[in-house]
Amino acid sequence: DVKVTQSSRYLVKRTGEKVFLECVQDMDHENMFWYRQDPGLGLRLIYFSYDVKMKEKGDIPEGYSVSREKKERFSLILESASTNQTSMYLCASSLPGSSVEQFFGPGTRLTVL
Amino acid sequence: AQSVTQPDIHITVSEGASLELRCNYSYGATPYLFWYVQSPGQGLQLLLKYFSGDTLVQGIKGFEAEFKRSQSSFNLRKPSVHWSDAAEYFCAVGAGRDDKIIFGKGTRLHILP
Repeated sequence: DVKVTQSSRYLVKRTGEKVFLECVQDMDHENMFWYRQDPGLGLRLIYFSYDVKMKEKGDIPEGYSVSREKKERFSLILESASTNQTSMYLCASSLPGSSVEQFFGPGTRLTVL
Repeated sequence: AQSVTQPDIHITVSEGASLELRCNYSYGATPYLFWYVQSPGQGLQLLLKYFSGDTLVQGIKGFEAEFKRSQSSFNLRKPSVHWSDAAEYFCAVGAGRDDKIIFGKGTRLHILP
């Protein structure tokens, strides 16, 4: 059974803290993605990665960075968390190509106080 | 630029009734089209996808969707809904030159007993 796991289901942090969200996939997928999901806005792409050590900005990269040191792991970093980063964060992975399915993790609900 | 529109933010149907969720896309070439479902507290799961061939696509959980190029639509249907179908549904289009998927803002389905 294919699996994308995220390190936390719920996370509460304070303004200004550095936050790490971890995502691991066991499908040997080349592509990995980070989205944030907000009511009424759907899914918005933050960053994605085609391969180890490669990253591309998505639609809303401001305030975020990413790291992909190993093929199976893709980390999202909030350098200095702010209240407007309170959201649901979803990680996904896929094989190469825009016709292929993305597999999603269960999400991390982050609250920044 | 590619885009996806889901005109209905909320839809309420009675259990056992038929369902149609609307999706319109904007894309210059033949699109890759997807429907995903997100149950409460979960990540997204693929229901079905279209990338060529028969324009009526069958998916999991008894769902189907029909690609209509003339209307730029990819509507999702189910003949008889069950209470467990209550969820949020996302239409998406493959973005072509890269491996990104563009998601609509979602339609939340409510089921009346």
